[in-house]
Amino acid sequence: NAGVTQTPKFQVLKTGQSMTLQCAQDMNHNSMYWYRQDPGMGLRLIYYSASEGTTDKGEVPNGYNVSRLNKREFSLRLESAAPSQTSVYFCASSMDRGDTQYFGPGTRLTVL
Amino acid sequence: DQQVKQNSPSLSVQEGRISILNCDYTNSMFDYFLWYKKYPAEGPTFLISISSIKDKNEDGRFTVFLNKSAKHLSLHIVPSQPGDSAVYFCAASERSHGSSNTGKLIFGQGTTLQVKP
Repeated sequence: NAGVTQTPKFQVLKTGQSMTLQCAQDMNHNSMYWYRQDPGMGLRLIYYSASEGTTDKGEVPNGYNVSRLNKREFSLRLESAAPSQTSVYFCASSMDRGDTQYFGPGTRLTVL
Repeated sequence: DQQVKQNSPSLSVQEGRISILNCDYTNSMFDYFLWYKKYPAEGPTFLISISSIKDKNEDGRFTVFLNKSAKHLSLHIVPSQPGDSAVYFCAASERSHGSSNTGKLIFGQGTTLQVKP
């Protein structure tokens, strides 16, 4: 069991470029989440998917879009990257909403 | 409006002694609390949780205490080991509130624990 995997591990973008962060889980979990971590601020929820076929906004959704491709995969897209989106991005999954969440290793993104 | 706060950014303890990490919350609707441990360049790892129907949960060297009237929880690590050196996050959610249950976790800012040999 790999758990939750994320690609890429590191990425540098220029302002205005787009990219997609990939996340996959092999635990047969129904719910998946995207968080960002900034220094001194803990983790903040960007978007979540309570079950396959549904997505909802979290605390800080502006500038992002998500796709729940299937039960295993949940991607996060930055359409036009901004320096304020420089952060570490974590994907997480849980059996159902409200259950304990398990996190991937993170993607460190720098926007110049 | 920070609903979950960890007021101590860092804590240093000697190996073998007790580590106590604290967390306060403001939202009385929170009913499920978790502690995560995070090493540099890794994702947070689930450590221990507690439901609001309990006031204590124990797992090996780790014990979480919940004081609902004070809206306070703490994580005790006994005995502390150098491998426990990491950032510890507390998190809270409204697990049992029907359609408002998004599963969303609200995290504190984290406390960096250093255990000295």
